[in-house]
Amino acid sequence: GESVGLHLPTLSVQEGDNSIINCAYSNSASDYFIWYKQESGKGPQFIIDIRSNMDKRQGQRVTVLLNKTVKHLSLQIAATQPGDSAVYFCAETRDSSYKLIFGSGTRLLVRP
Amino acid sequence: DGGITQSPKYLFRKEGQNVTLSCEQNLNHDAMYWYRQDPGQGLRLIYYSQIVNDFQKGDIAEGYSVSREKKESFPLTVTSAQKNPTAFYLCASSADVNTEAFFGQGTRLTVV
Repeated sequence: GESVGLHLPTLSVQEGDNSIINCAYSNSASDYFIWYKQESGKGPQFIIDIRSNMDKRQGQRVTVLLNKTVKHLSLQIAATQPGDSAVYFCAETRDSSYKLIFGSGTRLLVRP
Repeated sequence: DGGITQSPKYLFRKEGQNVTLSCEQNLNHDAMYWYRQDPGQGLRLIYYSQIVNDFQKGDIAEGYSVSREKKESFPLTVTSAQKNPTAFYLCASSADVNTEAFFGQGTRLTVV
């Protein structure tokens, strides 16, 4: 069936450490993936995206890795800061559809 | 300022009343979306529209209705048929398939 899910509901990291947030998807037709950050009471903010013809994409302090063999997506945040504390969602589309489906989210807590 | 505007930010309604949530975008995006978010949960797709005068049901369309008469507007009506309407509602838009969706700041609907 359709599902985009996450392994860990809460991740706690020390300020300055790197964070890795994981996401699993189930459909081989998934062709576009997005990571969003959501702060309490606000709408999600775009972080980074990746298409299925890529394995890795880097942004400022963030890297997304896509492993199509095991249908796994990860978001790496370098030198995690207190402002990174939020809930992170992965989302996907498939077959070049507009339908954007979200996973259940991981809460990132940054310890000072 | 370009962006997506949802209004109002907070909305209270009595049980059994229909209520319409507003979503306007000035990004000239073709696609628009409505999501529902319950506390501690992910985003679930209610309806989406790829183009004016066209829209498709998402995963939880029952009890909701939409219209897309103008490119910049995609109002959502929560009808009395929706069994548990209290939630955080998020609207988004995207320029094209396989491009990021931009979100509004949400409307928190409470039905008493």
